[in-house]
Amino acid sequence: QQQVRQSPQSLTVWEGETAILNCSYEDSTFDYFPWYHQFPGESPALLIAIRPVSNKKEDGRFTIFFNKREKKFSLHIADSQPGDSATYFCAASANSGTYQRFGTGTKLQVVP
Amino acid sequence: GPKVLQIPSHQIIDMGQMVTLNCDPVSNHLYFYWYKQILGQQMEFLVNFYNGKVMEKSKLFKDQFSVERPDGSYFTLKIQPTALEDSAVYFCASSWDNYAEQFFGPGTRLTVL
Repeated sequence: QQQVRQSPQSLTVWEGETAILNCSYEDSTFDYFPWYHQFPGESPALLIAIRPVSNKKEDGRFTIFFNKREKKFSLHIADSQPGDSATYFCAASANSGTYQRFGTGTKLQVVP
Repeated sequence: GPKVLQIPSHQIIDMGQMVTLNCDPVSNHLYFYWYKQILGQQMEFLVNFYNGKVMEKSKLFKDQFSVERPDGSYFTLKIQPTALEDSAVYFCASSWDNYAEQFFGPGTRLTVL
């Protein structure tokens, strides 16, 4: 049973466009939602995370939008750059923040 | 930034053998994790460890798996005996607090023949 669903599986955008990556979850006790990026052959690294006390979290070009009622959250990458090309994973955890369930990943390609 | 080290980077063993994967977490971190990633697939949580004890484990953390961190040395994942389906990249991670950022090591690619 997939507890965190992620879409699309792959996404291609032009340089300068906004890339939108989507995730949804089932468990209403989830209260921590991080996004990671992973470059080929490397380990995942935290990009940005949100707790449900707010509906939006921004960090530079990266923004998380969170909809608690619909159990959805998305990552928007504004002004996408070729260096943003990577696989992005969303995740969710409950209570302690330590047992993170990951989505299946979105492979993003930014074309110059 | 803070670095998590993993030794070895690659390990090839025969099915049924024992393997120990080693992790050197960030020095002041208190929470330690193991994840499994099969090539091209998502990360899957195996276990987390705090204050000398396993806090949570997933269904993937089979009876053949064990973790320990004796006396502040390496945080280890031992698989005994190994099975073909254990072939994957295993990532160690650490954090200083439970909701704090988890820093991932470079991974150990385990191949079970």
